[in-house]
Amino acid sequence: RKEVEQDPGPFNVPEGATVAFNCTYSNSASQSFFWYRQDCRKEPKLLMSVYSSGNEDGRFTAQLNRASQYISLLIRDSKLSDSATYLCVVVRTWHQAGTALIFGKGTTLSVSS
Amino acid sequence: GAVVSQHPSWVICKSGTSVKIECRSLDFQATTMFWYRQFPKQSLMLMATSNEGSKATYEQGVEKDKFLINHASLTLSTLTVTSAHPEDSSFYICSASQGAGGTDTQYFGPGTRLTVL
Repeated sequence: RKEVEQDPGPFNVPEGATVAFNCTYSNSASQSFFWYRQDCRKEPKLLMSVYSSGNEDGRFTAQLNRASQYISLLIRDSKLSDSATYLCVVVRTWHQAGTALIFGKGTTLSVSS
Repeated sequence: GAVVSQHPSWVICKSGTSVKIECRSLDFQATTMFWYRQFPKQSLMLMATSNEGSKATYEQGVEKDKFLINHASLTLSTLTVTSAHPEDSSFYICSASQGAGGTDTQYFGPGTRLTVL
């Protein structure tokens, strides 16, 4: 089983739509989670952290379900500029070299007018 | 904000040659640097983690003799792809962290696109 799994999409939605992305992770000991956004041929950029209590940043809401090892990202009122690939990220910890980010394959969103 | 640069941004080379990619943290000291590889329509795959002054830790399946990583200073890490082959063609991205990585914010470089003919 992969460490981080996402539905690759693509999700094609009209402007103003609400869209949700899901992600599952395999290591139950994982403690930290993020959503990153990556535009075509660019480096990934941090979108938001994911907390157990859920967190919201404007039109974006992230949720974590530790029991199910499941992370979600909800985007409300989609804009054209939201078109990108959204990467689910889990922090892996090991003793020798600290920690590292493990990326999911990404879910592609295309918002059309 | 913190800036990470990579050089070159793209490179084309012949099969069998070696290519060096530099990753620099421009305005902060990077205790830890990470190297990722991304194939088309795939996600970033962590290749290795390097801490300044020590040997890099490679992910399973990544050949350490083929992908040489040097993190000689707190602002520079290099990745050398030795004896490159067409299957090494990919987008190589580095990231840098002031701490041990993970929960510390990682700042990503713009990436280097390698094409091996």
